[in-house]
Amino acid sequence: ETGVTQTPRHLVMGMTNKKSLKCEQHLGHNAMYWYKQSAKKPLELMFVYNFKEQTENNSVPSRFSPECPNSSHLFLHLHTLQPEDSALYLCASSLRWGLAGVGSYNEQFFGPGTRLTVL
Amino acid sequence: GQQLNQSPQSMFIQEGEDVSMNCTSSSIFNTWLWYKQDPGEGPVLLIALYKAGELTSNGRLTAQFGITRKDSFLNISASIPSDVGIYFCAGPRDTDKLIFGTGTRLQVFP
Repeated sequence: ETGVTQTPRHLVMGMTNKKSLKCEQHLGHNAMYWYKQSAKKPLELMFVYNFKEQTENNSVPSRFSPECPNSSHLFLHLHTLQPEDSALYLCASSLRWGLAGVGSYNEQFFGPGTRLTVL
Repeated sequence: GQQLNQSPQSMFIQEGEDVSMNCTSSSIFNTWLWYKQDPGEGPVLLIALYKAGELTSNGRLTAQFGITRKDSFLNISASIPSDVGIYFCAGPRDTDKLIFGTGTRLQVFP
């Protein structure tokens, strides 16, 4: 049990569909992240939220829209995606620097991911 | 910008063998993290290192924080089939972001 859950685990959608990915963390963390993982590529950071505030948008196309209503929940809204957006989408959480003691702020804990296929 | 290079890219070993992999950076890190990712799952944190020269073990896994602070090593002793997966190193970029290595894919044959 990682403490970070993601739903759905698998999603197939057409290019005109609208869908949302959900992430929930039960670790008392206050920073949450979305990553994209494509085959044979390093993990790509998409968005970062600290205390519900977005602190990073790593040049992600507007067809991906994040939402963080509180420190425990993170959503990724998907709209008019392209086939090249097919990938494993991972959510992670961590305790923000300065509140956890030396070192532990870097440790991110990941959910199981959502395998997205865009047809 | 910062990047992490992992080697080897892939390894095919016999069950029972020891495994060594490393991660190098173009710049200094003050933390090194090692993750393992099973197929179709998210990465799981294995070991965290916070001090140059530090050697930390987690069962059959041992990781070291290089003295130069630009590299780290992960060793797995007496490999078993469930060690199969992709191993990633990671280091901090800014106060709340991580940069990940390209991964070492491990395959263990019985």
